[in-house]
Amino acid sequence: QSVLTQPPSMSAAPGQKVTISCSGSSSNIGHNYVSWYQQVPGTAPELLIYDNDKRPSEIPDRFSGSKSGTSATLGITGLQTGDEADYYCGTWDNSLSAWVFGGGTKLTVL
Amino acid sequence: QVTLKESGPALVRPTETLTLTCTFSGFSLSTTGMRVSWIRQPPGKALEWLARIDWDDDKFYSTSLKTRLTISKDTSKNQVVLTMTNVDPVDTATYYCARLVMAARLSYFDYWGQGTLVTVSS
Repeated sequence: QSVLTQPPSMSAAPGQKVTISCSGSSSNIGHNYVSWYQQVPGTAPELLIYDNDKRPSEIPDRFSGSKSGTSATLGITGLQTGDEADYYCGTWDNSLSAWVFGGGTKLTVL
Repeated sequence: QVTLKESGPALVRPTETLTLTCTFSGFSLSTTGMRVSWIRQPPGKALEWLARIDWDDDKFYSTSLKTRLTISKDTSKNQVVLTMTNVDPVDTATYYCARLVMAARLSYFDYWGQGTLVTVSS
């Protein structure tokens, strides 16, 4: 059981938009910045979004992040087949003094 | 250029101690603000954070695993070592090390190793 809650799976057609939610509590998302990671099967996770809504320079602006209260959202527009991957949210939890991940969302682009 | 690479045994017997090494380059763990974590992923399952070590030797552990984990660093070799005692088949996973950027309320893993698969089996 993950501390952060994500939908296990989502699907959308190429060219469409999808939003992935990440729900936490006041001790984690409510107090700290959220990051998102993309993991293509068989590879290591890659930083997608940091500080709630910032993108590393190599990440296209089709990817966006936002946070409100104890929840965060990852948005992907103009879906491509190459976006098929698992997506994880994460942040530091002040009560646990530990990093916490969401359970991951498997995105299918069909 | 920051790189991290995990190394360790591919197969470990139940009840044995697992020792994993993260060898990194492009930064120093003696530099203020630098931190490295270990994260694992059982086959087909989610990421699970295990431990963190800071430049000042502060250490943090997963609540559920802290009695079995020890994280340490060798600054001269640019290495972080994770030991896990009394391993069980449920510890079978790909183990990653990653650099953690952390300041005030912000934190994120900006660089990851490629991971090393560890199988626990008799």
